[in-house]
Amino acid sequence: GAVVSQHPSWVICKSGTSVKIECRSLDFQATTMFWYRQFPKQSLMLMATSNEGSKATYEQGVEKDKFLINHASLTLSTLTVTSAHPEDSSFYICSVVGGNSGANVLTFGAGSRLTVL
Amino acid sequence: QKEVEQDPGPLSVPEGAIVSLNCTYSNSAFQYFMWYRQYSRKGPELLMYTYSSGNKEDGRFTAQVDKSSKYISLFIRDSQPSDSATYLCAMSGAAGNMLTFGGGTRLMVKP
Repeated sequence: GAVVSQHPSWVICKSGTSVKIECRSLDFQATTMFWYRQFPKQSLMLMATSNEGSKATYEQGVEKDKFLINHASLTLSTLTVTSAHPEDSSFYICSVVGGNSGANVLTFGAGSRLTVL
Repeated sequence: QKEVEQDPGPLSVPEGAIVSLNCTYSNSAFQYFMWYRQYSRKGPELLMYTYSSGNKEDGRFTAQVDKSSKYISLFIRDSQPSDSATYLCAMSGAAGNMLTFGGGTRLMVKP
């Protein structure tokens, strides 16, 4: 299947700062990437669908001005958490759909743990 | 009612036991069924992928789909402590459609 790299794996920042998380599809040109959020002991929550060359599609209740998504190329999507606050502390995971595993199989990155002090 | 239901557990079993993990769903349009394994603080990884009803086996893992009952299962034989993780079921309708995830079942295999 696809190989997805996510960076950084863990970031700690002060309240009010912005944090950028990168998601790279290493062996597959991904026109679509997905960003998920996961709180401890809870399941994945889809935040947004990132589309190469166009605006991201956000799920209901997700602030698009808070979580900026840029998908400038077929191999890179970035999620920027702007003016982060402690309640934004969570595990953020990106994923790519498709590749050798199947047309609707998601391959996930390793995740990025954000801790906002 | 959620579209996909999964018992959150935790499910605790001794090493060597046979584990049965299950999901039920309500959308009869689902045709593609997946099981993901997620270790703590890691992204989910695909374990099994099946289309429509039937069984699929891969090593110690067997995925079973019963579309008439809207019920899918993952069996793990000879469970190992390294199998301790959260298992997520996921499913979708036509190819390319978004996946709908279950809430995940936390499995603990004790040595």
